[in-house]
Amino acid sequence: KNQVEQSPQSLIILEGKNCTLQCNYTVSPFSNLRWYKQDTGRGPVSLTIMTFSENTKSNGRYTATLDADTKQSSLHITASQLSDSASYICVVTGYNTDKLIFGTGTRLQVFP
Amino acid sequence: GAVVSQHPSRVICKSGTSVKIECRSLDFQATTMFWYRQFPKQSLMLMATSNEGSKATYEQGVEKDKFLINHASLTLSTLTVTSAHPEDSSFYICSASVPYSNQPQHFGDGTRLSIL
Repeated sequence: KNQVEQSPQSLIILEGKNCTLQCNYTVSPFSNLRWYKQDTGRGPVSLTIMTFSENTKSNGRYTATLDADTKQSSLHITASQLSDSASYICVVTGYNTDKLIFGTGTRLQVFP
Repeated sequence: GAVVSQHPSRVICKSGTSVKIECRSLDFQATTMFWYRQFPKQSLMLMATSNEGSKATYEQGVEKDKFLINHASLTLSTLTVTSAHPEDSSFYICSASVPYSNQPQHFGDGTRLSIL
């Protein structure tokens, strides 16, 4: 069964600190992996998208990595800001399909 | 960049009312749009795939007579929750992707539906 699991489920950090979120997936064959940020009460916003041939992708303070062999991805947030408080969702797409398989998300809270 | 607009953002209505939610792709044509449902502290759950000019494809367990989907144009898909009941209260989100591109799916801002 195609699954996407994320850890930790929730995370609290202080402003200015770095953090790393994890994503493991079993989707096969695999097309691409995306990280989305979802603020409370809003729709998800894309942060990064990586195909199986890409190892890393950056978007400002967000850096995503992908290991297609171990089926793992991480999202690293540098110098966190209060506005980073949100849910971060790892989403995987299988080959030849538009359907997205969503992870359970990591709820990040950044405190001053 | 590509933008998906969803309307209304919030609906509060009585039980038994039918509610229509609109999803528009503002600067691109979308042959396919997706409708999701999200309960508090849970991830998005795909309800159906909306195909322009043809019937929607519903996921297992989603009642097609309860959740009517119409995709009459390349920029508009609608979801109608018929005879809504309190258990239909949820956050409904649509998405669309730019055809023949590598862009990720773009999501609307969601509709918070509350049935009293």
